[in-house]
Amino acid sequence: EVQLVESGGGLVQPGGSLRLSCAASGFTFSTYWMHWVRQTAGKGLVWVSRIDDDGGSTTYADSVKGRFTISRDNAKNTLYLQMNSLRAEDTAVYYCVRAQKSSRWTLGSWGQGTLVTVSS
Amino acid sequence: DIVMTQSPLSLPVTPGEPASISCRSSQSLLHSNGKNYLDWYLQKPGQSPQLLIYLGSNRASGVPDRFSGSGSGRVFTLRISRVGAEDVGVYYCMQSLQTPSITFGQGTRLEIK
Repeated sequence: EVQLVESGGGLVQPGGSLRLSCAASGFTFSTYWMHWVRQTAGKGLVWVSRIDDDGGSTTYADSVKGRFTISRDNAKNTLYLQMNSLRAEDTAVYYCVRAQKSSRWTLGSWGQGTLVTVSS
Repeated sequence: DIVMTQSPLSLPVTPGEPASISCRSSQSLLHSNGKNYLDWYLQKPGQSPQLLIYLGSNRASGVPDRFSGSGSGRVFTLRISRVGAEDVGVYYCMQSLQTPSITFGQGTRLEIK
């Protein structure tokens, strides 16, 4: 069974940093693209970032480019999202998502999410 | 960015009756390879989203066959042949033709009458 367990969320002040982790199990982590997607009540679901299977290629939404960094450790079956220069509008539930093999931008399996709150 | 528009936004359904949700995109989602880059997701109350349909009409693993996806180009439909209590939640369409700017619809809330 695919399991994705996010951690690292919490309350942080504007301008601060946070690192999210996603522990993966139940599948061969090193062979799948992975994504981060966030959700707010106001803006709904918003794609944030993706990384290919070996970590050699990454892509970001314009809203987080230059502030967020996605990475992975295939030896530890773990996905990361380093978030710097956080803003109030980054407040959201962040989901770790495994892509489909057949369609790498299809969001096949989702974690339970971790809440990030940016507030003073 | 491609804008995704769903209708209706709220859908009350009697158990056992069919239901359909429409999703329209501001640009065609039909790739030159013949595939439509349109997925459907369901977020049940208190849960994270789950994949239902990918590439327009392909059911994801474990999804009951009462769910079906159809359409091409700019107009797509998700149909549920017989709605059950377990189908309650918010349904989202998502386009992945224009990457990395993939975008979601605003969601359709299905409730039981």
